Amino acid sequence: DAKTTQPPSMDCAEGRAANLPCNHSTISGNEYVYWYRQIHSQGPQYIIHGLKNNETNEMASLIITEDRKSSTLILPHATLRDTAVYYCIVSPGYSTLTFGKGTMLLVSP
Amino acid sequence: GAVVSQHPSWVICKSGTSVKIECRSLDFQATTMFWYRQFPKQSLMLMATSNEGSKATYEQGVEKDKFLINHASLTLSTLTVTSAHPEDSSFYICSAQDKSSYNEQFFGPGTRLTVL
Repeated sequence: DAKTTQPPSMDCAEGRAANLPCNHSTISGNEYVYWYRQIHSQGPQYIIHGLKNNETNEMASLIITEDRKSSTLILPHATLRDTAVYYCIVSPGYSTLTFGKGTMLLVSP
Repeated sequence: GAVVSQHPSWVICKSGTSVKIECRSLDFQATTMFWYRQFPKQSLMLMATSNEGSKATYEQGVEKDKFLINHASLTLSTLTVTSAHPEDSSFYICSAQDKSSYNEQFFGPGTRLTVL
């Protein structure tokens, strides 16, 4: 699996948009970009995934650059409950997921 | 969305005993399940891949005789930590792959194992 690079931590004010970046410069053509998050002492929660088009669901939006070497997860209106470690993972989809260190997002009042 | 459960959610045992952890996919069939381990302040590390009806595939450095995995049905995989020792204390998390949904992996809530 290709490796990803994420900032170790980010802060966001409650109600504001949280934009979490991820670099995946060695991504292969058949690899998807997945985002999961893990709230303390819980299992990871699936957020969103995409191949090359931007994606949006009820939780977040995923913006993938045209060259697919980076992406941004957007939480449009962050709440305190969004405080978690966010993992960006690239995978062919039929393969295992390799978790990096992720980004610790702290949402403050 | 798909739901994966784990049982128990936490367990405390004495050194030398064996502990079984169950992972169930509640509303979908999972031919493939995965077992991860997470130590404090670290990321998830894949231990093994479990395919229904066949032997599990273990990652390098994971002792297959110590971490027994059984995936006897399309909705249940079990991980047995045999002769547990304090260094096996960790957060064990399973995931199940839903082939009907872009092979998405759905994770269980995790099991906290403490070996005294």
